[in-house]
Formats: sequence, structure tokens, C-alpha cells
Amino acid sequence: NAGVTQTPKFQVLKTGQSMTLQCAQDMNHEYMSWYRQDPGMGLRLIHYSVGAGITDQGEVPNGYNVSRSTTEDFPLRLLSAAPSQTSVYFCASSPRDSNQPQHFGDGTRLSIL
Amino acid sequence: AQSVTQPDIHITVSEGASLELRCNYSYGATPYLFWYVQSPGQGLQLLLKYFSGDTLVQGIKGFEAEFKRSQSSFNLRKPSVHWSDAAEYFCAVGPYGGATNKLIFGTGTLLAVQP
Repeated sequence: NAGVTQTPKFQVLKTGQSMTLQCAQDMNHEYMSWYRQDPGMGLRLIHYSVGAGITDQGEVPNGYNVSRSTTEDFPLRLLSAAPSQTSVYFCASSPRDSNQPQHFGDGTRLSIL
Repeated sequence: AQSVTQPDIHITVSEGASLELRCNYSYGATPYLFWYVQSPGQGLQLLLKYFSGDTLVQGIKGFEAEFKRSQSSFNLRKPSVHWSDAAEYFCAVGPYGGATNKLIFGTGTLLAVQP
């Protein structure tokens, strides 16, 4: 049982490059989310999805795109990377049942030079 | 505005000593409350959650937390800390009865344990 799997674990990009962070879950969870974690700021919600074909913006969506074509996958796209997007990115999933907490992946550490 | 405050950025305790990590929240409705722990280089692991009912909730690894509505607090406690408890701890709040995929996190408390 893999849970939430994020790839890659580490990545270095140059400013202006594009990249997709992958997130997959095998628990058949309807809800998925992307957060970024920065020192002294905790985790902040970027985008989230309540099911295949449905996405919405979180607290800090600018510079990021998402799509949800399947229940399992929720990729996060950086179209033109900026140094301000250097961060640790976490994907999380949870079932529709509101009494169930989120499960987190191990994170992707992204550096933009 | 909805927010979570963890006033202690860094705490150091001796092994075997008791621990209390503070969490205060500002939320427009009855919240769901969570404590997560993050070890270095790892993702977040759920310690415990409060949805309703008994305001003292028990979690994994010997942790407990108490919901105090009058103080808007959800402090995390452990009677005797182990060296393996050294990690960063995050308090989070979500909408009561709503999806738990839109959590608001505090800025975290980094716990160091002295031998």
C-alpha cells in the first residue's frame, strides 16, 4: 500500500523553465491538495480538487496550474519557474468522508536558480 | 480572517520531561482541529484530530490534546518526552463538516530533546 507518492523527490530548475510535479494516490480518495512549505510559514494551500475534472484555487495559486483527469493523479505544473517558487511541495489526499484526515506524501524539494 | 497561531517557534525539553505545545486558532465556525508531526526530510504524519465530542483527544505516540472553545486553543501535550519525539509539529484547522482538504496550518514548532 503506497499511499501518496510524489515524484521527483528533488529537482533543480533554472528560472523560466517549466516542470510538472507528479502526485499519485492508490487509496481511491476523492479529495487531493497541493501545499508548499516555506521556513517560518507552515504549509500553504496552492490548489485542491474534490474529484476528477474539478479543481479550485487555494491560498497561493499564482504561477501554478493543476488538472485532475483521473482519481489517482493530481499533477502540479510550473509553467515558468521563478526563484520565489523555491520550496518544498507536498501533495495530500483524503476521502470524501469529512471525518477522515489528509494523508501526505513525502514531498518534493524544488530549487529555482 | 482564519488563522492558526503557534507562538513557540522552537522548544527544547529534556528527555523524560513533560511537553506542551500551544496552538490558538481564529475561525468563523466550529472547526476541525489537527496536530501533525514532521520528521526531517519526511512528510506529515497525523498525531491526532478533534471533530466533536470529548474535548480531550488521544493520539498516537502517547500524545494528547485538549480543545478549549472558550480560549480558541488546541494544545498538544505529552507527559514524558522521548528522544525520538524531536521533530516539527504543526497545528491545523479545517471547516467543521466540510472537506479536510483545505486545511490552514500554523507555522510550526520545532522540538529539540536534550538527553
